[in-house]
Amino acid sequence: EDKVVQSPLSLVVHEGDTVTLNCSYEVTNFRSLLWYKQEKKAPTFLFMLTSSGIEKKSGRLSSILDKKELFSILNITATQTGDSAVYLCAATKTSYDKVIFGPGTSLSVIP
Amino acid sequence: DTGVSQDPRHKITKRGQNVTFRCDPISEHNRLYWYRQTLGQGPEFLTYFQNEAQLEKSRLLSDRFSAERPKGSFSTLEIQRTEQGDSAMYLCASSLAKGLARNNEQFFGPGTRLTVL
Repeated sequence: EDKVVQSPLSLVVHEGDTVTLNCSYEVTNFRSLLWYKQEKKAPTFLFMLTSSGIEKKSGRLSSILDKKELFSILNITATQTGDSAVYLCAATKTSYDKVIFGPGTSLSVIP
Repeated sequence: DTGVSQDPRHKITKRGQNVTFRCDPISEHNRLYWYRQTLGQGPEFLTYFQNEAQLEKSRLLSDRFSAERPKGSFSTLEIQRTEQGDSAMYLCASSLAKGLARNNEQFFGPGTRLTVL
């Protein structure tokens, strides 16, 4: 059965810290790995990763995929309180863009 | 605001009642998805439409659940004879699939939070 696992499930850091969120997947007919940010509402898209070893970057956020080890990480540098959210990792399959989500990592950034 | 709207945003109902939710996707998007999300979990795929055709249904979607997208635009999700276990956030997402284009980004609506008493 397809599954996506995230760790840690929750994390509390101080402003300015750097965090690394982990995502591993076991998905047949894997197509891509997605990262979303969810703040008490609908998920908002962060990154889509399809190739191994190519880092995607957006401001203080970056992500990379390892298709051999079936693993992805999301890094957030110089965290701010506005980064507090649940970060969802998801895998898409080649059929109809079906998306399998992980349970999410709840990040709390305290001043 | 992603451009995907859902109605209602909140629904409280008594066990055994029927409920219907509506999703209006981004107008040019041809794909529409329904997900269910419970506290502490990521969204779980329920069903998916390409235009008006329902192409895939999850095993999570019991016989009490039905979804339609009659004209390939808005979609409805109906739950009959609601149970307390149906309490969750129901999310809708849409995307635009162009030919062989892959990895089409899904845009999520704000969700409908259902509470079954």
